[in-house]
Amino acid sequence: NAGVTQTPKFRVLKTGQSMTLLCAQDMNHEYMYWYRQDPGMGLRLIHYSVGEGTTAKGEVPDGYNVSRLKKQNFLLGLESAAPSQTSVYFCASSLQTGFLSGYTFGSGTRLTVV
Amino acid sequence: GEDVEQSLFLSVREGDSSVINCTYTDSSSTYLYWYKQEPGAGLQLLTYIFSNMDMKQDQRLTVLLNKKDKHLSLRIADTQTGDSAIYFCAESIRPGGGADGLTFGKGTHLIIQP
Repeated sequence: NAGVTQTPKFRVLKTGQSMTLLCAQDMNHEYMYWYRQDPGMGLRLIHYSVGEGTTAKGEVPDGYNVSRLKKQNFLLGLESAAPSQTSVYFCASSLQTGFLSGYTFGSGTRLTVV
Repeated sequence: GEDVEQSLFLSVREGDSSVINCTYTDSSSTYLYWYKQEPGAGLQLLTYIFSNMDMKQDQRLTVLLNKKDKHLSLRIADTQTGDSAIYFCAESIRPGGGADGLTFGKGTHLIIQP
């Protein structure tokens, strides 16, 4: 049981380049989330999805797009990377009523935009 | 909006008890969580508490909730070097976070002195 897998683990982009971060979960979770973690800022929700084919904006959605074409995958796209998007990105998933389990997090993607 | 506050650092001696504090502003918060993040890893759920509970104990961990003051604490007894990590307080009005996600504090770095 792999849980939540994020790829890639590290990436360096030049300003203006695009990329897609992939999150895959094998727990049949309904809900999936993308967070970014910055020093002194904690975790901030970028986008989330409550099911296949649905997405919604979180606290800091600007500059990012997401897609959930399959229940197990949640993709985060950066169309034109900016240095302000240098961060560690975490994907998480949860059951629709996953109180006891809370969230399951991936191990993160460290992105640097130069 | 919701806000969750934590001190950024806590330093304790190995073998002592650690107490990590958290305050939240949303009086609707019903579900409160503590997550642990070890270096280079994602967040792991440590424990949780309902708002109708005052205390929850789980081995070395004790969670205290003062709902009147909107104050949550995590006590780690007999702190060990393996407890060195960032501890996040999180709250939600829905079980498991629901569609809106969890609101996280900025995290408390627990530093263990030999």
